[in-house]
Amino acid sequence: AQKITQTQPGMFVQEKEAVTLDCTYDTSDPSYGLFWYKQPSSGEMIFLIYQGSYDQQNATEGRYSLNFQKARKSANLVISASQLGDSAMYFCAMREVTTDSWGKLQFGAGTQVVVTP
Amino acid sequence: EAQVTQNPRYLITVTGKKLTVTCSQNMNHEYMSWYRQDPGLGLRQIYYSMNVEVTDKGDVPEGYKVSRKEKRNFPLILESPSPNQTSLYFCASSPQPTGSNSPLHFGNGTRLTVT
Repeated sequence: AQKITQTQPGMFVQEKEAVTLDCTYDTSDPSYGLFWYKQPSSGEMIFLIYQGSYDQQNATEGRYSLNFQKARKSANLVISASQLGDSAMYFCAMREVTTDSWGKLQFGAGTQVVVTP
Repeated sequence: EAQVTQNPRYLITVTGKKLTVTCSQNMNHEYMSWYRQDPGLGLRQIYYSMNVEVTDKGDVPEGYKVSRKEKRNFPLILESPSPNQTSLYFCASSPQPTGSNSPLHFGNGTRLTVT
């Protein structure tokens, strides 16, 4: 079963606008972590932001914020004031703390973001 | 600089010719893992290692081997590569094998083509 679902294969956003990337997840584990990674066209995977399942507040890192709705199992990434350099593929991922997964990071299929001038 | 180093970045080989992709991290991380990335499938885990001499299969281990003789190194071995192993490969590490709050630190990737 798919653990991480990203329903938006691709998005266009204008420079300086905000964009929200959707991510829903599936787990029965009470302890888990949610991560967002950015993959530019050069291919490397860049860690952006982390949200723990027990965190009371939404995570923020500069222009990135995570809209965490635990009851809905949703962890959307918000990029504010988009820049041309934000054009990339974005992956949502989850890490569970169970003996089955042993720390495996499970990824969604990704959302391709293109920022236009 | 703290990093995960993979080599080579690009590799073209022929079916059946054994190859090794090296991975080294300088952060003293216990946990290391290999992923492959294919279009439309995201990243899938091949093998992982909780510590030295401790390795286990991920979701797609067929056709691959790994070893963890030293903490810093985690090579990926393809004994007899086939065209369906053409992919982008990532090595990654983190400090805590079972902590949910540790991001994986990724290498820059190895783009492998098997003809």
